[in-house]
Amino acid sequence: QVQLVESGGGVVQPGGSLRLSCAASGFTFSSYGMHWVRQAPGKGLEWVAFIRYDGSNKYYADSVKGRFTISRDNSKNTLYLQMNSLRAEDTAVYYCAKVQRPYQLLYAFDIWGQGTMVTVSS
Amino acid sequence: QSVLTQPPSASGTPGQRVTISCSGSSSNIGSNTVNWYQQLPGTAPKLLIYSNNQRPSGVPDRFSGSKSGTSASLAISGLQSEDEADYYCAAWDDSLNVRYVFGTGTKVTVL
Repeated sequence: QVQLVESGGGVVQPGGSLRLSCAASGFTFSSYGMHWVRQAPGKGLEWVAFIRYDGSNKYYADSVKGRFTISRDNSKNTLYLQMNSLRAEDTAVYYCAKVQRPYQLLYAFDIWGQGTMVTVSS
Repeated sequence: QSVLTQPPSASGTPGQRVTISCSGSSSNIGSNTVNWYQQLPGTAPKLLIYSNNQRPSGVPDRFSGSKSGTSASLAISGLQSEDEADYYCAAWDDSLNVRYVFGTGTKVTVL
């Protein structure tokens, strides 16, 4: 079945780095745009970044621009989020999500992973 | 930071109809379609409504969405206990930078 599984979360000190991974299965990963969304403890959803199906375009939230990098390896069916210069306010559960339609941008997120927790603390 | 505004809470008894509003602007709801996500306690969000009023396969028809101008709404008819969850509206926003924006979220309680 269609599935997304995140990994790579953990505890990191302020200013540190972490790379999250999202392993996709059950669909043609290379045909779909992908997103990262985060949720701070007890808070709402916040969109983080998007990457086109072929990696040619990337968009970021202002809150992470210049610090986070979204990327993908279509040969490994895997999405990544490289997070640098981490701050306490980056503490959240990070979800990866799949765009509903192939080759499209302006569609909903129809499949979500279970999330991975990132805690930024000294 | 959210640019889409929702009421923080809504409630109803089983069988009642509950409506959640979502207010945006011309750069998001006014020019793009609206999606709604349901997040049950302790779980990942789930797509509930897409393209303003379309239900994915498996979503009961007691959930419905609508959009008018720069606002949207989600209605839950025949409220059930399993509908107790957080609900988020969302849309693409193409103001200065392309970005996806979520609403502030509404906690629905079944009394």
